[in-house]
Amino acid sequence: AQSVTQPDIHITVSEGASLELRCNYSYGATPYLFWYVQSPGQGLQLLLKYFSGDTLVQGIKGFEAEFKRSQSSFNLRKPSVHWSDAAEYFCAVGEGSGAGSYQLTFGKGTKLSVIP
Amino acid sequence: GAGVSQSPSNKVTEKGKDVELRCDPISGHTALYWYRQSLGQGLEFLIYFQGNSAPDKSGLPSDRFSAERTGGSVSTLTIQRTQQEDSAVYLCASSLASRPGGTDTQYFGPGTRLTVL
Repeated sequence: AQSVTQPDIHITVSEGASLELRCNYSYGATPYLFWYVQSPGQGLQLLLKYFSGDTLVQGIKGFEAEFKRSQSSFNLRKPSVHWSDAAEYFCAVGEGSGAGSYQLTFGKGTKLSVIP
Repeated sequence: GAGVSQSPSNKVTEKGKDVELRCDPISGHTALYWYRQSLGQGLEFLIYFQGNSAPDKSGLPSDRFSAERTGGSVSTLTIQRTQQEDSAVYLCASSLASRPGGTDTQYFGPGTRLTVL
């Protein structure tokens, strides 16, 4: 079965600093990989996803992630963090059904705090 | 257009009672998913429906949990004889799932917070 590890439970960065959130996955085949963000009291919003092709994926809000098969990683990055980025971030791997749908396995999440 | 909606937003119940949680997916989305988010377990997959196919129930934690999807649209998650460990936020998501091997985004609803006293 697939699994996702986010080693950092909580990260604090200063506004304007760069950010990298780590994600490692375990999956036998080529994974579908995702990053979602959840703000307090809000639902999950997709930041970006990787299915195939270019291993550097651009997402919304200035985020990007790089798929590294050799390291089984899909780390999320942002060059300059804004106070509004404070939220919880979830990495997920999708296992497809072959019919166009897939179930997601999530990591435990990384809570990001931003210091003004 | 409207996103995924869920009702109620909050539900408080007593241990042993049954509860029903509702999900209205985005119109035209053929795949519908239920997940649970709890402090101890994080986000867990529960069940999904794909078109008219039999649902994948592999994530349901016990036989007290069941779900149905009527008319390929609205879904209801039912928890019978609720236990305190069922307290969590129940999230619903939907996707187009328009073709085999498709990679359509799952859009999540705001969730239903269930508290079992």
